[in-house]
Amino acid sequence: KAGVTQTPRYLIKTRGQQVTLSCSPISGHRSVSWYQQTPGQGLQFLFEYFSETQRNKGNFPGRFSGRQFSNSRSEMNVSTLELGDSALYLCASSLGETGFGYTFGSGTRLTVV
Amino acid sequence: AQSVTQLGSHVSVSEGALVLLRCNYSSSVPPYLFWYVQYPNQGLQLLLKYTTGATLVKGINGFEAEFKKSETSFHLTKPSAHMSDAAEYFCAVSVIYSSASKIIFGSGTRLSIRP
Repeated sequence: KAGVTQTPRYLIKTRGQQVTLSCSPISGHRSVSWYQQTPGQGLQFLFEYFSETQRNKGNFPGRFSGRQFSNSRSEMNVSTLELGDSALYLCASSLGETGFGYTFGSGTRLTVV
Repeated sequence: AQSVTQLGSHVSVSEGALVLLRCNYSSSVPPYLFWYVQYPNQGLQLLLKYTTGATLVKGINGFEAEFKKSETSFHLTKPSAHMSDAAEYFCAVSVIYSSASKIIFGSGTRLSIRP
């Protein structure tokens, strides 16, 4: 079966712009989580969506937002980009139950210049 | 609160040697524990997981980990390293909320394999 698909793979944006990243989970998975990965901070949890509802949120500013559609696909938006937002953004899907763990996509590499 | 500590940000072993990557966790409730591997410019791939039951967990690519509650450890091992094992490895613990969960990752250990 198809894995978690993230688009685009690479993105270059200018400071002050906004960006939208997309994630299609594994078929049947209802939970989608987003992580930011940087060399300095490691893997940091952004938020989790389950059945179109955000049920968990990390400690990121309001510039970071997301949503989930009825088909479980999720988008993540970052407004007013800053240089420090440059990172690998990873999406992960799961059935929604803790013990199953997550299946990750290959990520979107965002560079802010 | 749950947390994960990986000892050693970089481990280097010779090809054919034992691989041992250390992970200690902190959890106020029985934890769900995971090991993930990440190759350059890729996402994370689940190597193995511990939920309940047998404390020795076998994963993909010959890796295994043992849950030791008394030591709050979940170290990852592989008897014989292969060049293709060179990657970054992350230990993780599930954090369970009333109706949600998230995974907390350790800071990662970069594994290098010497020919």
